[in-house]
Amino acid sequence: KAGVTQTPRYLIKTRGQQVTLSCSPISGHRSVSWYQQTPGQGLQFLFEYFSETQRNKGNFPGRFSGRQFSNSRSEMNVSTLELGDSALYLCASSLNGNTEAFFGQGTRLTVV
Amino acid sequence: QKEVEQDPGPLSVPEGAIVSLNCTYSNSAFQYFMWYRQYSRKGPELLMYTYSSGNKEDGRFTAQVDKSSKYISLFIRDSQPSDSATYLCAFLYGNNRLAFGKGNQVVVIP
Repeated sequence: KAGVTQTPRYLIKTRGQQVTLSCSPISGHRSVSWYQQTPGQGLQFLFEYFSETQRNKGNFPGRFSGRQFSNSRSEMNVSTLELGDSALYLCASSLNGNTEAFFGQGTRLTVV
Repeated sequence: QKEVEQDPGPLSVPEGAIVSLNCTYSNSAFQYFMWYRQYSRKGPELLMYTYSSGNKEDGRFTAQVDKSSKYISLFIRDSQPSDSATYLCAFLYGNNRLAFGKGNQVVVIP
């Protein structure tokens, strides 16, 4: 059974640019969550999607957005990048949001 | 008070020792309790998952939950160098939303 796939694995962007990250969940899983991981703050919840609808949102500015497609694949977008957005971005796949969650390998974003 | 408290201090143990990790939490809405292991530059890997108070064993790993004290623990028996990683406690509180501890870096010395 294939795991959660995130692309790309690494990204380097310049301040002010925007970026789109992709997540393909485990087959059959309909819930996808996104997290930001930094050394100082640890893992912080960004948002969760289920059946193409955002059900939950964490405390991040509106520059962070996401969407989910009918095949459950999800993308997150960060606009007007800031140096502080440098982090490991992780997505987690769950059957319906109320069972165990499985993470992808993450996308390491560096903003210069 | 933070929702989740996990002492982030690194932990070094000799091979074969028992590793003991714990987290406390304050949010009564937490429904499920998990432990993840994260190797350097990798995503978190689910180790243990439970929703009730008591002990759950899986091989060398035992997860312990005490809901009345809002306290969870992870024990690793017969620790191996391959267990060297960061261990994160996590709490599910609705719709694939997890609250994490800061993580414990464990080093098992051969």
